[in-house]
Amino acid sequence: KAGVTQTPRYLIKTRGQQVTLSCSPISGHRSVSWYQQTPGQGLQFLFEYFSETQRNKGNFPGRFSGRQFSNSRSEMNVSTLELGDSALYLCASSLAGGREKLFFGSGTQLSVL
Amino acid sequence: GENVEQHPSTLSVQEGDSAVIKCTYSDSASNYFPWYKQELGKRPQLIIDIRSNVGEKKDQRIAVTLNKTAKHFSLHITETQPEDSAVYFCAASGGKTGGGADGLTFGKGTHLIIQP
Repeated sequence: KAGVTQTPRYLIKTRGQQVTLSCSPISGHRSVSWYQQTPGQGLQFLFEYFSETQRNKGNFPGRFSGRQFSNSRSEMNVSTLELGDSALYLCASSLAGGREKLFFGSGTQLSVL
Repeated sequence: GENVEQHPSTLSVQEGDSAVIKCTYSDSASNYFPWYKQELGKRPQLIIDIRSNVGEKKDQRIAVTLNKTAKHFSLHITETQPEDSAVYFCAASGGKTGGGADGLTFGKGTHLIIQP
């Protein structure tokens, strides 16, 4: 069974631009969560989607948004990029529910210049 | 919201010795506590998890203990091996009013170094 797939693997953007990241969960997993990982703040929860609905949201500004499609694939969008948005963005899928038995993807490394 | 503190930030042990990593949480409503291992350049992987109705759980060389009264939980690795070298993250999550569950709040991580 294929694991969680995230694309692209690396992204370089400039301040003010917007970016869209993609995540394909493990087949059969309906829950997709997104996390931001930085050396200073560690892993921080962004949001979780289940059956195309946002079920949970972390403490990030409205510039961070997401959606989930009927095939459970998810996208995350960051608008008006800031230098501080540079991070590894990890997507995780789960069969049991948004917080349990998470399977993480390899992440998208975003650099904002 | 929930706050998770993790100690130590770096832990160096001799191969074959035991390692203990400790975490404390702030929200008494938290009821799910997983531990993830992240090797350098790789994705985090779940190694063990525990619910608040259980005090201890063991899986081969790995065990987790939970003290709800003190709001802390610990990861114990016995007979450490070189492949145990990684960053370990604890996390906590609680229930939500009206059902469902919060996302995970992670500790800042512990870099475990196994000395040969």
